[in-house]
Amino acid sequence: GAVVSQHPSWVICKSGTSVKIECRSLDFQATTMFWYRQFPKQSLMLMATSNEGSKATYEQGVEKDKFLINHASLTLSTLTVTSAHPEDSSFYICSARGGTLSTDTQYFGPGTRLTVL
Amino acid sequence: SQKIEQNSEALNIQEGKTATLTCNYTNYSPAYLQWYRQDPGRGPVFLLLIRENEKEKRKERLKVTFDTTLKQSLFHITASQPADSATYLCALGGGADGLTFGKGTHLIIQP
Repeated sequence: GAVVSQHPSWVICKSGTSVKIECRSLDFQATTMFWYRQFPKQSLMLMATSNEGSKATYEQGVEKDKFLINHASLTLSTLTVTSAHPEDSSFYICSARGGTLSTDTQYFGPGTRLTVL
Repeated sequence: SQKIEQNSEALNIQEGKTATLTCNYTNYSPAYLQWYRQDPGRGPVFLLLIRENEKEKRKERLKVTFDTTLKQSLFHITASQPADSATYLCALGGGADGLTFGKGTHLIIQP
């Protein structure tokens, strides 16, 4: 149990385009999903928290109009990086909690490597 | 502001020995402290969670201690194996809140 998938696993795009990343909980219903970003040799940094059917809560310094989060169902959350620029190149990782699993911890997806040219 | 420090960026241990990783934190009183394993280019994998009212938690060859007075957690891997080589992340928080991660310790188990 507790499998979280992400798609795509990597993406390369041109500056100015938008990229959508999907996060799915495969064997449980995720009441809460989280999005993190990790730059090389740095720790994971929380970007936002989303609850199904509600607007996401963004961490300080994260532009909500640039990083659009949709959590339309209990098994799917999407992160759209709008008008991506080279400085948005990073490793984006989602996590999920909920269902019959321990709700104290989070289960992470495999990550999406975004490269903006 | 909250700060998490993991003892070293890299730790080399001989196979079969016990690896001990340290996590110290300041300006925080977490209800939970968690340890994750991260392999290169992959997302973190949950290992253990310990609550503020717990002193120790074990899972197979893994043991975690949590001292809220010292604001420190120790993570032990006994009978270490080369397959244990990875980056280990300490994280504070849990429940409905997002996690605050340390930078991690890159553990290398040498045969």
